Amino acid sequence: SQQGEEDPQALSIQEGENATMNCSYKTSINNLQWYRQNSGRGLVHLILIRSNEREKHSGRLRVTLDTSKKSSSLLITASRAADTASYFCATVGTDKLIFGTGTRLQVFP
Amino acid sequence: KAGVTQTPRYLIKTRGQQVTLSCSPISGHRSVSWYQQTPGQGLQFLFEYFSETQRNKGNFPGRFSGRQFSNSRSEMNVSTLELGDSALYLCASSLGYWDKPYEQYFGPGTRLTVT
Repeated sequence: SQQGEEDPQALSIQEGENATMNCSYKTSINNLQWYRQNSGRGLVHLILIRSNEREKHSGRLRVTLDTSKKSSSLLITASRAADTASYFCATVGTDKLIFGTGTRLQVFP
Repeated sequence: KAGVTQTPRYLIKTRGQQVTLSCSPISGHRSVSWYQQTPGQGLQFLFEYFSETQRNKGNFPGRFSGRQFSNSRSEMNVSTLELGDSALYLCASSLGYWDKPYEQYFGPGTRLTVT
């Protein structure tokens, strides 16, 4: 079973635009992570935010976490064609990582 | 550091057969987790091994099993294959301490097709 639901399921934008993806989860967490997956390949860790943090930045990525609403968002600024991939949030409770359903991002040149 | 490696990368099997997939974690990582990814169910957690012991298990039937060796390399086995077992099987390694924030490093996956 999946912990997180991501919204939207799919997103298409032009290069240079910003992309925002949202993740909602159900139970209390230790931390929340975002991963990227290029078509049919392994996942790559992007960023981790701890439960006591509200916002974190890494390059063109900005992640927010609202534990009261059990939700997180990932913002990719100034998107590039190379950002085309599926993005997953994953929550860490006490003993395992549980992935959300993913958002498929398509960035057109 | 070498990344996580998985072998084989692609596999075609027939219903009823069994299959063994292998995963070599990053040097120094003691935890290996396995996931099944399908279009319908998404990324599903199979199990996690830490220091040769299964520490966690997802909701999969007993046909799915695994083990971890003293060098942290892990194998997973699926017996009596069904069509629905066709999936991308991903292995991830990590240091393995859940009380500290950490990240998992994924291998490229093994694409299993059951015919």
